[in-house]
Amino acid sequence: EAGVVQSPRYKIIEKKQPVAFWCNPISGHNTLYWYLQNLGQGPELLIRYENEEAVDDSQLPKDRFSAERLKGVDSTLKIQPAELGDSAVYLCASSFGGKGDTQYFGPGTRLTVL
Amino acid sequence: RKEVEQDPGPFNVPEGATVAFNCTYSNSASQSFFWYRQDCRKEPKLLMSVYSSGNEDGRFTAQLNRASQYISLLIRDSKLSDSATYLCVAYTGGFKTIFGAGTRLFVKA
Repeated sequence: EAGVVQSPRYKIIEKKQPVAFWCNPISGHNTLYWYLQNLGQGPELLIRYENEEAVDDSQLPKDRFSAERLKGVDSTLKIQPAELGDSAVYLCASSFGGKGDTQYFGPGTRLTVL
Repeated sequence: RKEVEQDPGPFNVPEGATVAFNCTYSNSASQSFFWYRQDCRKEPKLLMSVYSSGNEDGRFTAQLNRASQYISLLIRDSKLSDSATYLCVAYTGGFKTIFGAGTRLFVKA
């Protein structure tokens, strides 16, 4: 069974440029998460989807970050404009349900903002 | 205070040693707990769930103490391949999943 797929794996951009990350969850998983992970820290939740509905986006910096999950499958996370402090690994995870079910992570996108 | 706190380590132990990690959580409404393992520059992967009665999986034992609001992970007979960062995770009411910052373990020959 295919795992969570993310692309790109690496992205280097200059500050103030836009960037987008894509995630394809495990088939049949209704819940999708986007996390941000800084070096030496644990993943921090940005947004959680139940099917196509964003049910927890309280930690998403809405002035520059946006996300969508059309048709309740793939998801895209966008940053516009990127800032130096956005350099981090962006992880996507999925789970069958949202109530404490095991989360399966993709390999992440390592973003460097210059 | 962070909602989930872990000793960052690193823990440096020889092969065959027993090592224990503790993790405390602040939200008494937390319902489920997990340990994830994260290798260097890789994604986190579930190591084991933590049940109220405690659970064991081979060399790994996880325990939960709700009264004191901490969970623990015990690794017996450490192997070189156990070297990784171990993330403590609490699932709270409101469907929030909170990760600790992780504890780094280095097992040396």
